[in-house]
Amino acid sequence: TQLLEQSPQFLSIQEGENLTVYCNSSSVFSSLQWYRQEPGEGPVLLVTVVTGGEVKKLKRLTFQFGDARKDSSLHITAAQPGDTGLYLCAGINNAGNMLTFGGGTRLMVKP
Amino acid sequence: DAGITQSPRYKITETGRQVTLMCHQTWSHSYMFWYRQDLGHGLRLIYYSAAADITDKGEVPDGYVVSRSKTENFPLTLESATRSQTSVYFCASSGQGIGSPIYFGEGSWLTVV
Repeated sequence: TQLLEQSPQFLSIQEGENLTVYCNSSSVFSSLQWYRQEPGEGPVLLVTVVTGGEVKKLKRLTFQFGDARKDSSLHITAAQPGDTGLYLCAGINNAGNMLTFGGGTRLMVKP
Repeated sequence: DAGITQSPRYKITETGRQVTLMCHQTWSHSYMFWYRQDLGHGLRLIYYSAAADITDKGEVPDGYVVSRSKTENFPLTLESATRSQTSVYFCASSGQGIGSPIYFGEGSWLTVV
């Protein structure tokens, strides 16, 4: 079983601060996805990164896939209360038949 | 645009009872999935289906049964509920399987007492 570890598990910051969430594994993934989940709802896909070293930007969110395709990070610039939620990374194995989720990072951004 | 809907949203049942969670999608997606979400474990795949009448086990299939007689429906049955099956269950669908965007339902909160 491929494991994905996310850190930190919990993060509480003030509006305007920057933050980085990490997703690490000892296994190689063909691609990696990031989801955001709000209370009482299902996860919503934010981005998929496919190539080692790839960087994708989505407004204030920057996603990076590690060169070895074993890890990824999510950086949020100038966090806003609307960014509050559970952020999940999910890795797709090389066979393309299994999606493994990390345990999630619960982010709270206070006004 | 209903998308993907789950029912019931909330259910309390007793140990040993059979429970069925329903999932319906309106996109005609080929792939459908059932996940459970528990604190400390993230989302774990229970079963998935690549098409009608095709189902396969995921990471944690024991104690669960699925069927897919129609493309749009993918019910999940707990044959004899146990307390360890208390969880939030998410149904999801995808047009082209793992690797392409997966769309999740709003979840079904199940408590087994």
